[in-house]
Amino acid sequence: QQQVKQSPQSLIVQKGGIPIINCAYENTAFDYFPWYQQFPGKGPALLIAIRPDVSEKKEGRFTISFNKSAKQFSLHIMDSQPGDSATYFCAAGPGTGNQFYFGTGTSLTVIP
Amino acid sequence: EPEVTQTPSHQVTQMGQEVILRCVPISNHLYFYWYRQILGQKVEFLVSFYNNEISEKSEIFDDQFSVERPDGSNFTLKIRSTKLEDSAMYFCASSDYGYTFGSGTRLTVV
Repeated sequence: QQQVKQSPQSLIVQKGGIPIINCAYENTAFDYFPWYQQFPGKGPALLIAIRPDVSEKKEGRFTISFNKSAKQFSLHIMDSQPGDSATYFCAAGPGTGNQFYFGTGTSLTVIP
Repeated sequence: EPEVTQTPSHQVTQMGQEVILRCVPISNHLYFYWYRQILGQKVEFLVSFYNNEISEKSEIFDDQFSVERPDGSNFTLKIRSTKLEDSAMYFCASSDYGYTFGSGTRLTVV
């Protein structure tokens, strides 16, 4: 059973656009939902994370929207730049000490 | 900013050989993990480690895999008899509340 489902698989936007990446999770015990950004040849780097007690979190140009009842969360990138071109992974888990379940990744390309 | 350090960055090994991948977690973190990522695929959990023992492991983490914290700073993943399908990026991570990943070791089994 796939614990975290991510879509779309790939996304192409123009510079300044707002790409949106969606994830859905299965386990209601999950209480930590991070997004990771990965460049080729590098490890995933934590971008932003949210807990289920809030519905939205912003850090710079990155926003997570969280819908607890629907068990869904999404990443929005405002004013996207070519340097944002990377693979983005959502993840979910019950917190420290336990494994995180990763989505399958979204390859984002921002065209200048 | 504190980092998780992994060595080597790239390891090429012959099928059937043993490899040891090394990690230095962030010093005040208590939980340690290994994940792997086959090229172009998602990140998969292998094992978590806490208080000098395995706390959780996946189906991938079979008898050919082992982890160890040989001293106060290093955290290692050993693959006893490598197979071609073990070729992947292996990421170490450590956490106190959020995860920090290392840059990975690319393992190529030939």
